Amino acid sequence: KQEVTQIPAALSVPEGENLVLNCSFTDSAIYNLQWFRQDPGKGLTSLLLIQSSQREQTSGRLNASLDKSSGRSTLYIAASQPGDSATYLCAVYNAGKSTFGDGTTLTVKP
Amino acid sequence: SAVISQKPSRDICQRGTSLTIQCQVDSQVTMMFWYRQQPGQSLTLIATANQGSEATYESGFVIDKFPISRPNLTFSTLTVSNMSPEDSSIYLCSVEEDENTEAFFGQGTRLTVV
Repeated sequence: KQEVTQIPAALSVPEGENLVLNCSFTDSAIYNLQWFRQDPGKGLTSLLLIQSSQREQTSGRLNASLDKSSGRSTLYIAASQPGDSATYLCAVYNAGKSTFGDGTTLTVKP
Repeated sequence: SAVISQKPSRDICQRGTSLTIQCQVDSQVTMMFWYRQQPGQSLTLIATANQGSEATYESGFVIDKFPISRPNLTFSTLTVSNMSPEDSSIYLCSVEEDENTEAFFGQGTRLTVV
C-alpha cells in the first residue's frame, strides 16, 4: 500500500525567504507525482506535475524535483510572498489512483 | 486544463437525510474521482466514477452509503446517504485524462451534518 509523507507539517517563514517542502513515498512504481496548493476551505490547485521519467519541473518561482528510486520529491519556493500562504499537498499516482500526503501548511509573514 | 463546476459549494444537513453533489466538467474526460477530506486531514479517495458502469470503491467505502452516478464523460454525482455528523467533510471531485496527465479538482462541497 502506497504511503505518502510530507515534512514539515507546518512552516512559518519571513517574506522573501527561499524554502523547501519535502514529500516521500514508499512505492517507487509511480506514473507521476503532482504538487497542489489548497487555500482554507477550498479545492486543490495544481502547481506542478512530474512524470516518472522526469527529474524536475519549473513554473515561475516554483521548482519541483523527483528522485523516484529513493521515493522523494521536493518543492522549492523562491522569494516567498504572503500570498504563498496555503497548504501544499503532494500526490503520487500508481495502481490507478492518487495517494495524497497530509500536506505542509505554509505561512509567509510580511 | 479542465474546468470543473461542483455544486453545492456548501450545505448544512440534518442527520438521517441524504445530499447529492454534482460535478460538471467543461470537456470530456476519461477518469473522474470522488474524494473526502475530513477536518484537518488530507484527501481520501472514495471511488472512481466509471462511465456507464458501477463505480469502483476504495476500502472502507460502500455503494449503499455513497452511491455514484456517471451517465456520460462530463458529469457525475455523489450522494452521501443517511448522513451522520461523522460525514461532515469537504467532498471533492477530480478529473484526469489518463495516468500521465494532470489531475484537476473542483472547488469542493463543504458538508456539515447537524
